[in-house]
Amino acid sequence: AQRVTQPEKLLSVFKGAPVELKCNYSYSGSPELFWYVQYSRQRLQLLLRHISRESIKGFTADLNKGETSFHLKKPFAQEEDSAMYYCALSGSGSARQLTFGSGTQLTVLP
Amino acid sequence: KAGVTQTPRYLIKTRGQQVTLSCSPISGHRSVSWYQQTPGQGLQFLFEYFSETQRNKGNFPGRFSGRQFSNSRSEMNVSTLELGDSALYLCASSPGHSTGELFFGEGSRLTVL
Repeated sequence: AQRVTQPEKLLSVFKGAPVELKCNYSYSGSPELFWYVQYSRQRLQLLLRHISRESIKGFTADLNKGETSFHLKKPFAQEEDSAMYYCALSGSGSARQLTFGSGTQLTVLP
Repeated sequence: KAGVTQTPRYLIKTRGQQVTLSCSPISGHRSVSWYQQTPGQGLQFLFEYFSETQRNKGNFPGRFSGRQFSNSRSEMNVSTLELGDSALYLCASSPGHSTGELFFGEGSRLTVL
């Protein structure tokens, strides 16, 4: 079974401060990990995936297989980063569907 | 390209009734997935269809069913509605040849009274 855990329901940081949204996963094979974001009154959308190893809107995430984590980080948070963030995992074969974590509501304070 | 379109956006039903929700994927996308979103359980996978075949199914009772048509449009049906079926039902499409990047619709919000 695949499982994604986001331990923080709510996270508040001040503008300009670093931010880290935690994500841990459980999967016996080699997963693909993703971060999805939902801004207020917008659709859920892909932010980044581990396979691309890219930085989107200043966010990065590194897959740590030893710690089974995929934390999302940004060195300097902006007010427009306030949103709901979901970590998601895709397995292989019959487990290829996306399994989402419960989400973290990030609020960046002015 | 037009995004994923879901209809209806809102609906109210009573216990025991059934409901059908519709999803039109992005043009060219052959995979459609359905998710149920509730405050308590978060986003839970219902099923995925690809080229009119169910490719994956989540842990939901048989009251939840779906299908996909030859034009990739999809419908999901919930029979014998229960209060606990009240949720936002999200449809997402993808080209189908890779996992992970799903394009979501705005959802259909179902309230069961």
